[in-house]
Amino acid sequence: AQKVTQAQTEISVVEKEDVTLDCVYETRDTTYYLFWYKQPPSGELVFLIRRNSFDEQNEISGRYSWNFQKSTSSFNFTITASQVVDSAVYFCALFYNQGGKLIFGQGTELSVKP
Amino acid sequence: GAVVSQHPSRVICKSGTSVKIECRSLDFQATTMFWYRQFPKQSLMLMATSNEGSKATYEQGVEKDKFLINHASLTLSTLTVTSAHPEDSSFYICSARDVGGDDPYYGYTFGSGTRLTVV
Repeated sequence: AQKVTQAQTEISVVEKEDVTLDCVYETRDTTYYLFWYKQPPSGELVFLIRRNSFDEQNEISGRYSWNFQKSTSSFNFTITASQVVDSAVYFCALFYNQGGKLIFGQGTELSVKP
Repeated sequence: GAVVSQHPSRVICKSGTSVKIECRSLDFQATTMFWYRQFPKQSLMLMATSNEGSKATYEQGVEKDKFLINHASLTLSTLTVTSAHPEDSSFYICSARDVGGDDPYYGYTFGSGTRLTVV
């Protein structure tokens, strides 16, 4: 079965703290893609990153970084020096070739307080 | 970049009426579009896959007679919520798949969503 689990439902931090959002996935496919999306209160989904199953290199983009570990089926997302504007719901998602679908985790609501 | 326009962004309708939501790919052709539903504080649940020129494929538990999907052109898919009831109130988001290249992912672009309230 294909599944994405984000165990943290809500996280609250104070501005400038670092925060890591966890994502664990399950799939039998050997070729798959993992994503992170940000959903601000307005509702639209903002694409953050895509990673394919053959590329385990970690990635950094400004204050954002991602740690992909196939051995633990995890694709965690870290925000360094968080800001109030980072407050949103963050979704991890899995695309697997056989199903041709994008399935989402439950989402983590991040609240960054000034 | 690829843009998907979803309209309307908000709609309030009376119980028993039907509501149509449009999803348009503005600068690319989308042979496949997806419709998701999101309840407050919950995840996005795939409702159906819409294929241009053919019938939509519905996920298990989704009533196809209730949620009519039409994908008549390569740039437009519509979701009609028929005989809407308060329990149909939700956030509906479409996604279009940009066909191209060797990338099997092809690229999903999401619309901005429609917040439906049935009173």
